[in-house]
Amino acid sequence: DAKTTQPTSMDCAEGRAANLPCNHSTISGNEYVYWYRQIHSQGPQYIIHGLKNNETNEMASLIITEDRKSSTLILPHATLRDTAVYYCIVRVSGNTPLVFGKGTRLSVIA
Amino acid sequence: KAGVTQTPRYLIKTRGQQVTLSCSPISGHRSVSWYQQTPGQGLQFLFEYFSETQRNKGNFPGRFSGRQFSNSRSEMNVSTLELGDSALYLCASSLVAGGVNEQFFGPGTRLTVL
Repeated sequence: DAKTTQPTSMDCAEGRAANLPCNHSTISGNEYVYWYRQIHSQGPQYIIHGLKNNETNEMASLIITEDRKSSTLILPHATLRDTAVYYCIVRVSGNTPLVFGKGTRLSVIA
Repeated sequence: KAGVTQTPRYLIKTRGQQVTLSCSPISGHRSVSWYQQTPGQGLQFLFEYFSETQRNKGNFPGRFSGRQFSNSRSEMNVSTLELGDSALYLCASSLVAGGVNEQFFGPGTRLTVL
């Protein structure tokens, strides 16, 4: 079973920041937080991952709370093409597969 | 660099038949994982191969099997197809097995069982 809890759906106005929360209160010290997204009818796409420090790349920023029990994925300027299902996954670095939950369906509205 | 390719993209079979799906990973990637996606169960892990060896296996019946070749290409096979096997089958490749390296997904093969 997935170890994360995410809202079922969210809306965001185009051009605004999209903040997607994820709760992972049972995360272990050696588990990373990964974010993937799946645009309709495509394979999932990796976005970002982190352990305990905040991370930023060309797609998004990942903010992890100090106790690591929750995190937020930030898309700084959402576009219509960011409409997708976003999955937050916790995973040990090593021999474990990705376990997907139901994710958050983000709708970016013009 | 070319992405992960999966063939065929669409497939229609009837109950009782068997099917083989193919996945070509990104050049240089040695790990290949397979996932099944259905509206009811979501994305579920099937198995992972690295250097021609199955490293992890999900909770699926023995009708689902796979293999990996020396060039890292992978195939999965489903025998005695059931209606419930209708799904999008996704393949993902990564540079090495384990670690924090990201997985790159292909577009999937949509299987319909009639």
